Amino acid sequence: ETGVTQSPTHLIKTRGQQVTLRCSSQSGHNTVSWYQQALGQGPQFIFQYYREEENGRGNFPPRFSGLQFPNYSSELNVNALELDDSALYLCASSYTTSGGGNEQFFGPGTRLTVL
Amino acid sequence: GNSVTQMEGPVTLSEEAFLTINCTYTATGYPSLFWYVQYPGEGLQLLLKATKADDKGSNKGFEATYRKETTSFHLEKGSVQVSDSAVYFCALQGGSEKLVFGKGTKLTVNP
Repeated sequence: ETGVTQSPTHLIKTRGQQVTLRCSSQSGHNTVSWYQQALGQGPQFIFQYYREEENGRGNFPPRFSGLQFPNYSSELNVNALELDDSALYLCASSYTTSGGGNEQFFGPGTRLTVL
Repeated sequence: GNSVTQMEGPVTLSEEAFLTINCTYTATGYPSLFWYVQYPGEGLQLLLKATKADDKGSNKGFEATYRKETTSFHLEKGSVQVSDSAVYFCALQGGSEKLVFGKGTKLTVNP
């Protein structure tokens, strides 16, 4: 069973640029959640995708957007990068059922540095 | 909204010492509670979880009990090892599926 993978591992961008981060979910999972972890902080929920639709969003501006594909992999796009976007971006996959409270499995993260 | 407050770090212990990391939460309804561990340069790994009041989660010698009356989920280990050095995050999950994390507690265990 393949776990959650993310690419790239590290990325350096400059202010104003755009970035796309990718995540492959664990086999059998239908839900992907994205989190931003600033240095020394806990992860903050960005948004979640379930069956290719956004299924909840945290307190992040619209320049943070995402996609989920039919194979349940996902992308996180950030436009007009700002210095404060420098962080570790974590993807987590899960299998959503009606009961909720489903365990999320995390990937290793993408470290984004904005200069 | 839902929130998690955990003990400020860093925590430094000697090998074989007893560990407690406090975690309290505020939530509507009956959330699931988790402890995650993050080793340097890595993502998050689930350490243990509890889904209802009075449940005890345990793994690798770590334990935490879901206390509804005190809204707490404190992490304990009887005898820590150098390999336990990491950052520990308490988290809750309500009906919306998203995880809400505390700020993390860095643990360093010295030989």
